[in-house]
Amino acid sequence: DGGITQSPKYLFRKEGQNVTLSCEQNLNHDAMYWYRQDPGQGLRLIYYSQIVNDFQKGDIAEGYSVSREKKESFPLTVTSAQKNPTAFYLCASSGTSGNTIYFGEGSWLTVV
Amino acid sequence: GENVEQHPSTLSVQEGDSAVIKCTYSDSASNYFPWYKQELGKRPQLIIDIRSNVGEKKDQRIAVTLNKTAKHFSLHITETQPEDSAVYFCAAPLVSGTYKYIFGTGTRLKVLA
Repeated sequence: DGGITQSPKYLFRKEGQNVTLSCEQNLNHDAMYWYRQDPGQGLRLIYYSQIVNDFQKGDIAEGYSVSREKKESFPLTVTSAQKNPTAFYLCASSGTSGNTIYFGEGSWLTVV
Repeated sequence: GENVEQHPSTLSVQEGDSAVIKCTYSDSASNYFPWYKQELGKRPQLIIDIRSNVGEKKDQRIAVTLNKTAKHFSLHITETQPEDSAVYFCAAPLVSGTYKYIFGTGTRLKVLA
């Protein structure tokens, strides 16, 4: 778990702003993920990536964008098109299909 | 479609009693089934997992059972303690050429002292 670093831990966004959440892993994992968690709710998949320069939409991709230019990095941009972005965002990674998924410590995003 | 159903959504037990949480998955190709524990404001942490070539796995007070025919797997916690209070999630990664993980909706376990 210590091998996945998310930043910032707390972030405030103004209306109409884009913000980017950083996720870096040093576990040499192929796959990386972004999940959104609303208070008292489950984990919803935003995007995932299996290899560099490739990523797929999850269940709630609208209003979000990602890139995977390096194996270690999978940043998430919350765009102004995401009308209700206040949530806890979790980045994760896994080695190969069917292997354990590990989570970063999460980033709290609040709209002000 | 792809989904993982988890029950119950909340569970209260007396300290020392057992707790059981069940998940049902839809993709018969899934072959790995982890359980995560999430404390308030923290990230989910893996507590136990099972692969499809075994039917049960135990780790001290925690066990997971798998029924591939019925496509369900369960988390069993015995001799519950107040520190077991948390939200528990199951997951079923899809294996048909993707790395997509589907999580259950979570079970909030409260152990009453």
